[in-house]
Parts: sequence; C-alpha cells; structure tokens
Amino acid sequence: GENVEQHPSTLSVQEGDSAVIKCTYSDSASNYFPWYKQELGKGPQLIIDIRSNVGEKKDQRIAVTLNKTAKHFSLHITETQPEDSAVYFCAAHIIQGAQKLVFGQGTRLTINP
Amino acid sequence: DAMVIQNPRYQVTQFGKPVTLSCSQTLNHNVMYWYQQKSSQAPKLLFHYYDKDFNNEADTPDNFQSRRPNTSFCFLDIRSPGLGDAAMYLCATSRDLGGVDEQFFGPGTRLTVL
Repeated sequence: GENVEQHPSTLSVQEGDSAVIKCTYSDSASNYFPWYKQELGKGPQLIIDIRSNVGEKKDQRIAVTLNKTAKHFSLHITETQPEDSAVYFCAAHIIQGAQKLVFGQGTRLTINP
Repeated sequence: DAMVIQNPRYQVTQFGKPVTLSCSQTLNHNVMYWYQQKSSQAPKLLFHYYDKDFNNEADTPDNFQSRRPNTSFCFLDIRSPGLGDAAMYLCATSRDLGGVDEQFFGPGTRLTVL
C-alpha cells in the first residue's frame, strides 16, 4: 500500500548546526509534499511544502528538496535554534485509491544549546 | 486567531462509555478530517467530509463515527471506547479535496480511557 518512510527517528544537533531529515515515498504519481512541525501538546503546523513541478524550495532557514526519479524528498534546517526543537513529519499526497496525505513516522529533533 | 478549534482539549472517559469530540473552523473550508495520533506515531486518517459527503478509511473501526451538521462543525463519536482508543485526536481542514491544499490542524483533544 501507500507508504512514506522517514529517517532518522531522532536527531540531535548543536545549536547553529544544520539538520537534515529524509523521506521516501512509494506512489510515483504523488505531486505534493508538505512538512509539518509539531510542538509538545499542539497540532502539526505546516512549515514548508513542495509540489512536483519544482526540485527545491527555500524559506529563510528552511529548505526542501525533491527528487522525483528517486522518490525522495528532504528537509534542511540551517543555523538551528533551540525553538526548532520539535517533532517533524513529512507527508506525501497519495493518488492511488482515495486521495489523501500519508505521513511519515516523524523525527524528534533536539537542538542542544 | 484560532482557525481550527477543538473541544475539549483533554477528555477522560470510562471504558465503554460513549464520548464525543468537537471540532469547529472559521476558514469556511470544504473538507474536514479526523486523525488519530498515538504516542510517538504519525497521524492516522480516520475519515473525512467533503462538504456533506462522508469518506471512511477502510481500516477505521466501526466504533468510530462522525457527524458534520454544517460547514463549521464536525464531531467524532466513539461509541464504546476501549483502552486502545486512548490517543490524541486531531481535526484538520483544507479548502478542497485532492490533498494538494494545505491542511490546517487544530490543537487536538487528548483522550484518556480508564
């Protein structure tokens, strides 16, 4: 069935360093890939998304890259800050069957001061 | 200003006692979703409404039902909660169906089953 794999499950980086989270998806027809940040006790919040017609998108310290041939996409956070600590979820819009977002398993990112 | 509101934020119920969770939105979006999120796991879609059309995920237990009386409100009914239903329940909305529109999530309701 539809599947989104996300790695790593936990990531710890020093403040100021970069963090990279990677996801792969199974449905080659997928065309929309959002990233969500979920802080403790809150719902997921969209931080950046990318559609299949572009390979990279950047918003200040956050960037996402997409490789449709390899069916993987990545989140890059540069100059990390303590407030970046949260759980991050990737997702892919699955076309097969009922159209919906399928989420990766999440990455718990910890920024060490 | 809150756009997707969930009440209550915390709900405690007893094993087998029906419970209803509430979601409202100020975005006037056509689609409303209910997700179940267990600890350290990804949100799992239970069902969604596109306007008044209800769409159930194939693996959503019959124990879970939903109602959408109008555009703004959507309810999740758990008829006979079991211990395994303890989770965070997230409501989300999107302008349209198809998955390519941003989904806006509420803060969630954490359900405890005693």
